[in-house]
Amino acid sequence: QVRLVESGGGVVQPERPLRLSCAASGFTFTNYGMHWVRQAPGKGLEWVAGISIDGDGVNQKYAHSVKGRFTISRDNSLNRLYLQMNSLREDDTAVYYCAKGTDMAIIPPFHSWGQGTLVTVSS
Amino acid sequence: SYVLTQPPSVSVAPWHTARISCGGNNIGGKSVHWYRQKPGQAPVLVVYNDGERPSGIPDRLSGSNSGNTATLTITRVEAGDEADYYCQVWDRSSDHVVFGGGTKLIVL
Repeated sequence: QVRLVESGGGVVQPERPLRLSCAASGFTFTNYGMHWVRQAPGKGLEWVAGISIDGDGVNQKYAHSVKGRFTISRDNSLNRLYLQMNSLREDDTAVYYCAKGTDMAIIPPFHSWGQGTLVTVSS
Repeated sequence: SYVLTQPPSVSVAPWHTARISCGGNNIGGKSVHWYRQKPGQAPVLVVYNDGERPSGIPDRLSGSNSGNTATLTITRVEAGDEADYYCQVWDRSSDHVVFGGGTKLIVL
């Protein structure tokens, strides 16, 4: 069955970088767009970024709150999704989920989610 | 940017029907998806494309979408339905995925 396992979370100081990874299995990774969604403590879901199957620059989309600071990428040979987070701020503190899209494009719904990895930005 | 508005909470007695709304400008022209999230767990898709259900989701859950409001309906509510529910759409004009603020379903 579909399995998404996030890693790379932890405590990081403001303005420092962090890279999250999501290992995908149980489906043909190259057939699906992928996304990152985050949830701040006690808050709702916030879409962060999405990437289509080929991952070129045209097919990466970002929420306004992270555009220019975060980069989503994928390695189809390793079945992995990444989120490079730079210039982190305290309001980036959240559980970050990896989610599988519906088809090759960057559109919902998200049929499968990982269990999330917690990122805490604090000095 | 496109905004989805949900009530913060909905309360319902067991065996009754819960209706959770999701408001948005001409949302009837978009495909709406719904997720359930229980404490400490990842979200789970429960309704997609307005009213379709993934395998394993009981037919007590259904969705509708028209005009400026989409609705998730849960009939014969059980204690296990208590959770946060989020609506979601794709905003074509901005190429962004949008979530509603979430609704806590409270089973009395």
